Amino acid sequence: DAGITQSPRHKVTETGTPVTLRCHQTENHRYMYWYRQDPGHGLRLIHYSYGVKDTDKGEVSDGYSVSRSKTEDFLLTLESATSSQTSVYFCAISDRDRALGLNQPQHFGDGTRLSIL
Amino acid sequence: AQKITQTQPGMFVQEKEAVTLDCTYDTSDPSYGLFWYKQPSSGEMIFLIYQGSYDQQNATEGRYSLNFQKARKSANLVISASQLGDSAMYFCAMSPYNTDKLIFGTGTRLQVFP
Repeated sequence: DAGITQSPRHKVTETGTPVTLRCHQTENHRYMYWYRQDPGHGLRLIHYSYGVKDTDKGEVSDGYSVSRSKTEDFLLTLESATSSQTSVYFCAISDRDRALGLNQPQHFGDGTRLSIL
Repeated sequence: AQKITQTQPGMFVQEKEAVTLDCTYDTSDPSYGLFWYKQPSSGEMIFLIYQGSYDQQNATEGRYSLNFQKARKSANLVISASQLGDSAMYFCAMSPYNTDKLIFGTGTRLQVFP
């Protein structure tokens, strides 16, 4: 199994509070991703990173920010959580070679179940 | 727009039988990759199989094979000799080579019965 750890695994919080989810990898992969999974939508990309301090927006980035200060850690922050951000959040990593345009599969963490009341 | 469509919200198959899960995609990019993932009830996402758009042969991984029909833009997953442990959600996904993003379909729930 790819060495990906998400923390916390479960969290319940209140509307308006800040929330930070952490993804930690031991594979030294360059690419890291944050997705959310909601019924009827599959997985949707929030933000991703292609290197330390290099990040870009995904499909559903509003209300979220990310940071990557080290290769192994990718943080997802909800500055002021809303009930619509209740979801299961997945981190993924990939050893994609961007220069060659090759696709490598993304490997996923076990997910964080976030409930915002 | 790039899109993945999985038209079967649920499928049933008897143990030891083969099953095909449908996936069609829409992209204008000439180069792309196609992926299938399995999500059991425990929630983790498990990579199953990959097909590149320029691969001449259909991908196979053990009991999984990908029926790739480029002209029809379809990438169906075939599971042979189904097992009870195959019961799960299955997601098809696509990534154009010139992007860093993976686009998922809404998934198909497969249930294998004895």
